[in-house]
Amino acid sequence: AQTVTQSQPEMSVQEAETVTLSCTYDTSESDYYLFWYKQPPSRQMILVIRQEAYKQQNATENRFSVNFQKAAKSFSLKISDSQLGDAAMYFCAYRSHNSGNTPLVFGKGTRLSVIA
Amino acid sequence: KAGVTQTPRYLIKTRGQQVTLSCSPISGHRSVSWYQQTPGQGLQFLFEYFSETQRNKGNFPGRFSGRQFSNSRSEMNVSTLELGDSALYLCASSSGQGQNIQYFGAGTRLSVL
Repeated sequence: AQTVTQSQPEMSVQEAETVTLSCTYDTSESDYYLFWYKQPPSRQMILVIRQEAYKQQNATENRFSVNFQKAAKSFSLKISDSQLGDAAMYFCAYRSHNSGNTPLVFGKGTRLSVIA
Repeated sequence: KAGVTQTPRYLIKTRGQQVTLSCSPISGHRSVSWYQQTPGQGLQFLFEYFSETQRNKGNFPGRFSGRQFSNSRSEMNVSTLELGDSALYLCASSSGQGQNIQYFGAGTRLSVL
C-alpha cells in the first residue's frame, strides 16, 4: 500500500517570504499522480497544484511550485511571496494511475501560519 | 459552475442513532468519493461511487454505507453511531476518468454525543 509522509506538522513564514513544505511517499508503482491540497479554516479542500509522475518538468501555478524528485520519492511545495491568505493546512496526496478511479492517499498535513 | 455541495454542514447525534449525509457533485461529474477526517487518523477513504455503482471501498466497518442516484448525487449513511464516528466527512466529485481530479465540498461536521 502507498503511504504519504509529511514530516513538518507546523510551519510559519513571514509575509512576502518563501516557504517550502516537505512530502515523501512510498510506492512500487511507476505511474501515478501527486497533489497538494490546501484546507483553510472554512474546511473546503482546495487543489493547489498537481504533478504527473511521468512528467519530469516540475509543475508551477503562479506563486506555487513543486520540486518533484521521483527517484527520491519526494514532492515538496514551494510558496513564494507568501500572503496572509496562504495560512491553512496543506495536504500532500498520492493517487495511482489506473484505468478506473483510485482513491487519494493523504499525508497528515502541515499547518502553515503566515506572520504579518 | 456550481461546486460540490454537502448538506448539512453540521450534525449532532447521540450514540446508537443513525445519520445520512448528502453530497451533490459538480454538474457532469459521475464519480463521488467520501473521506473521513479526524485529528488522530487524518483523511481516510471511505468509498467511491461511479454511475450508481460502488467502485472502491476503504477499510471501514459495514455500519458505513452509501449510494448514488441517477443524477450522481450521493448519500452516505452511518448506522449505530459510536463516539469515534465524530469527524468531518468530506465528499469529492470528479469525472471518474482520465486524470480524474477530485474537487471537494466543505464537508459535514458530525458530532456524536
